[in-house]
Amino acid sequence: DGGITQSPKYLFRKEGQNVTLSCEQNLNHDAMYWYRQDPGQGLRLIYYSQIVNDFQKGDIAEGYSVSREKKESFPLTVTSAQKNPTAFYLCASTPGVGGSGANVLTFGAGSRLTVL
Amino acid sequence: SQQGEEDPQALSIQEGENATMNCSYKTSINNLQWYRQNSGRGLVHLILIRSNEREKHSGRLRVTLDTSKKSSSLLITASRAADTASYFCATAPMDSSYKLIFGSGTRLLVRP
Repeated sequence: DGGITQSPKYLFRKEGQNVTLSCEQNLNHDAMYWYRQDPGQGLRLIYYSQIVNDFQKGDIAEGYSVSREKKESFPLTVTSAQKNPTAFYLCASTPGVGGSGANVLTFGAGSRLTVL
Repeated sequence: SQQGEEDPQALSIQEGENATMNCSYKTSINNLQWYRQNSGRGLVHLILIRSNEREKHSGRLRVTLDTSKKSSSLLITASRAADTASYFCATAPMDSSYKLIFGSGTRLLVRP
């Protein structure tokens, strides 16, 4: 079945450590996204990538970094510069530009990061 | 960024009743989407309505869109306990339709 796989599902980090969250999709989607969700809140966009080897900052990119070396993969690194990293992180993808449903998001199951 | 606002923030109804959630937004949009999220899980797309559409149906879901008021509503008819979840609207701005802007969500509890 096609979908998005995020790992790990739960992650604990000590202050000052960088951590990388994995996101892999087998939907052949062009665009991929990372969102952050805090308790009782909506989603805020961290980074997005519309094509391989290209990505743009979203609304809350500070303290995060990404890469898009392969179409299927869009890992997110939470760096020590992120002041409040404890949150639920969601990866998503869309088919890409143009056409009906081009911007309908398919989400992974999420990764919950807790800073100790 | 400009986020939509949803109301109510929380809604508790009895099984079999209808549930209505509202979403307001600020910018001109290409389309508006509704998503569902079960606790601790990813979001699932429910329905998309384009800016030139006024109403759309999918099973027990009915979505309306009023672009003059910049608002949308999601109606779930004959609710079931399994409908218990958070529901989010997401708007696709006209100038960047690939960058959805999410509301803060409505938490729906359907009591058996």
